[in-house]
Amino acid sequence: DTGVSQDPRHKITKRGQNVTFRCDPISEHNRLYWYRQTLGQGPEFLTYFQNEAQLEKSRLLSDRFSAERPKGSFSTLEIQRTEQGDSAMYLCASTHTGGRSYNEQFFGPGTRLTVL
Amino acid sequence: KQEVTQIPAALSVPEGENLVLNCSFTDSAIYNLQWFRQDPGKGLTSLLLIQSSQREQTSGRLNASLDKSSGRSTLYIAASQPGDSATYLCAAHNTNAGKSTFGDGTTLTVKP
Repeated sequence: DTGVSQDPRHKITKRGQNVTFRCDPISEHNRLYWYRQTLGQGPEFLTYFQNEAQLEKSRLLSDRFSAERPKGSFSTLEIQRTEQGDSAMYLCASTHTGGRSYNEQFFGPGTRLTVL
Repeated sequence: KQEVTQIPAALSVPEGENLVLNCSFTDSAIYNLQWFRQDPGKGLTSLLLIQSSQREQTSGRLNASLDKSSGRSTLYIAASQPGDSATYLCAAHNTNAGKSTFGDGTTLTVKP
């Protein structure tokens, strides 16, 4: 088990471009979360999946953001028409919803997005 | 709406000192509370998870407590070391929502 992985680790893009991030959760974890974190703040919830179903989306997630988790495995987060305000660290976490460690979240290393 | 507060925002202590980090939450209907460590530019590392039915959890030099009635959790670090320097975050997971709410963290510096 290699933990949660995210790709790419860093992304620099120009305003108006589209970007896509990938998250591979710990195998057999049925729940996957996306968060956004800016400097000096705690992670802010964006959305989460239970298997392949997207169960909740934050109001932070504008129409320019979309997330998928096909087949309940890896997940992608796409940002269309990026804006400078989208610059942040995008974090993915996974967990399983059973047993004593219900919802103990394990995080990936994050993708640092810089929009110029 | 759940709100999580961590005070102080920053803390500096000499090596060897015992210390307590605080986490307050406004909605006591939590399923569990989790403490994390974050090094600069990195992801979050899980330290301790306390279920709502538990009062405390221990791992090595770390001890976390939970008091749902007062909306408080503490993380006790014994015999601090320079390697403990990092930002410590707590997250409350509500029973009626899938998401967790994070505090903004306490940045700890342990001086040799």
